[in-house]
Amino acid sequence: GAGVSQSPSNKVTEKGKDVELRCDPISGHTALYWYRQSLGQGLEFLIYFQGNSAPDKSGLPSDRFSAERTGGSVSTLTIQRTQQEDSAVYLCASSSNSGAPYEQYFGPGTRLTVT
Amino acid sequence: AQSVTQLDSHVSVSEGTPVLLRCNYSSSYSPSLFWYVQHPNKGLQLLLKYTSAATLVKGINGFEAEFKKSETSFHLTKPSAHMSDAAEYFCVVSQRGATNKLIFGTGTLLAVQP
Repeated sequence: GAGVSQSPSNKVTEKGKDVELRCDPISGHTALYWYRQSLGQGLEFLIYFQGNSAPDKSGLPSDRFSAERTGGSVSTLTIQRTQQEDSAVYLCASSSNSGAPYEQYFGPGTRLTVT
Repeated sequence: AQSVTQLDSHVSVSEGTPVLLRCNYSSSYSPSLFWYVQHPNKGLQLLLKYTSAATLVKGINGFEAEFKKSETSFHLTKPSAHMSDAAEYFCVVSQRGATNKLIFGTGTLLAVQP
């Protein structure tokens, strides 16, 4: 079956511009996660969506970052007024939250470069 | 707070020799532990997961890991390395609770020499 997909695969943007990153989780997966992988910080959690519950935004590094998940499926991560330190690979994962420990399936990531 | 520590940032082995990637965890309760692999320019793939049903966990591609509570370790091993095993490996703990977010180690880059 189809895995987690992300678009675009690569994004180059100028400092100060806004960007939107998209994640399409595995069909039927109720949980969706965003992580960031950067040279300085390694892999870190950003935000978590579970069904219709309020998202866990505890990992978002600043108020320039936001995310939404429409219809319990596709999610968009938005970074406003991008900075060079936002350059990283943004990874999306989804999970069915059944059969603990809940395995998370990762997408290929979006490589963001802020110039 | 839960955390994992990967003891080696780089490991180099010869093809056909054993692989050992070390990971120690910190958790106040029985953790859920994983090993993920990331090949160059590829996504993260789950190698294996510890479910508390058995301390020796077998994964894909001949990898296995042993959960040792007394040593707070979850080392990844493979009897014989293959060139295709060259990749970055992450030891991961799942934070118990509503989120189940993953907390990643810093990664170990495995090089396999011919």
